Amino acid sequence: DAKTTQPPSMDCAEGRAANLPCNHSTISGNEYVYWYRQIHSQGPQYIIHGLKNNETNEMASLIITEDRKSSTLILPHATLRDTAVYYCIVRVGGAQKLVFGQGTRLTINP
Amino acid sequence: DGGITQSPKYLFRKEGQNVTLSCEQNLNHDAMYWYRQDPGQGLRLIYYSQIVNDFQKGDIAEGYSVSREKKESFPLTVTSAQKNPTAFYLCASSNRDDNSPLHFGNGTRLTVT
Repeated sequence: DAKTTQPPSMDCAEGRAANLPCNHSTISGNEYVYWYRQIHSQGPQYIIHGLKNNETNEMASLIITEDRKSSTLILPHATLRDTAVYYCIVRVGGAQKLVFGQGTRLTINP
Repeated sequence: DGGITQSPKYLFRKEGQNVTLSCEQNLNHDAMYWYRQDPGQGLRLIYYSQIVNDFQKGDIAEGYSVSREKKESFPLTVTSAQKNPTAFYLCASSNRDDNSPLHFGNGTRLTVT
């Protein structure tokens, strides 16, 4: 599985959009990009995933660059409850494991 | 509600004892997984199972054992051979579709003294 690089921490003001970047420069053509988040002492929560098109759901939007070497998770109107560690993961479709990196600790400030 | 249940949430054991962590899912998922998380670290894969009566070692399987006798259940035994068993253990499940996301339980925090 390709490795990902994320900033270790970020801050965002409540009500603003939080944009979390992820580099995956060695991604293969059949690898999906997944985003999860983890609040302290809980299991990771699935947010969104995509292959090459931008995706949006009720939680977030995922923007993948045309060359697929990087992506951005957007939380459109961040709230205090969005404070968590966010993990960007790439995974081959059909593969049965996710490889987690260190993630980005996002802090939403009032 | 459909989901993954891990029990207990906190578990304490003496060194040298084996301990079994429970994981049950009612999502009708074929695949199940066990991860371990240490403080300030990402998740590391211990074992995974794609189908009943079959499982594969992950990246850190030494000192652990699993069974998959039922689709709904994937218990993890932490044996006395595991050198650093104190950790946060997470169970997950997923469909076997190509891009199906994993869904996680809320974990069991094991402390061995």
